Amino acid sequence: AQKITQTQPGMFVQEKEAVTLDCTYDTSDPSYGLFWYKQPSSGEMIFLIYQGSYDQQNATEGRYSLNFQKARKSANLVISASQLGDSAMYFCAMRVISGYSTLTFGKGTMLLVSP
Amino acid sequence: GAGVSQSPSNKVTEKGKDVELRCDPISGHTALYWYRQSLGQGLEFLIYFQGNSAPDKSGLPSDRFSAERTGGSVSTLTIQRTQQEDSAVYLCASSPGRGYQETQYFGPGTRLLVL
Repeated sequence: AQKITQTQPGMFVQEKEAVTLDCTYDTSDPSYGLFWYKQPSSGEMIFLIYQGSYDQQNATEGRYSLNFQKARKSANLVISASQLGDSAMYFCAMRVISGYSTLTFGKGTMLLVSP
Repeated sequence: GAGVSQSPSNKVTEKGKDVELRCDPISGHTALYWYRQSLGQGLEFLIYFQGNSAPDKSGLPSDRFSAERTGGSVSTLTIQRTQQEDSAVYLCASSPGRGYQETQYFGPGTRLLVL
């Protein structure tokens, strides 16, 4: 079975600063994908960034980057130059090659960006 | 292009009544998923459809829950004899296929309140 752990229930950051949201995962599958989603107060789940288990380089998407450390089974999300609109719930999720193809989610981290 | 749409946005019902929630996936996406998100929690997998294959129902919490997908497109999640613990946000997602690297795109959700 797969498991995603997000140990930070809440994080605070000042506008324009960088912030790292932690995510560790557990799976015995060699092939898997790691995803980060943002959920603002409106409730929609917005896809941010993807990292594949065989990717040699860390994924980047604009201000988002993923610090992928395979040996430590961690996939931390780094948001550079935080903006007020980044205040939201952030979920780390994983999908493996075997079994059914659903996503396993962590419990999320609430990020609050202050002016 | 159009994203995943869900209806209704909000549903208030009385305990014991049946409800139907609808999901329109992104055109061309063969995989469709239903998740449930209880207040302040992560997402819980309910059911997964892939093309014309039999759905994976392993996440359905009880036999009061059922879902169908007609013509490989629109899906309906039905909850019979609703209970107060069914109150949650029901999220639908679709992806182009079932590969582990494929991103799931979410709809805005249906907020269900059972009185």
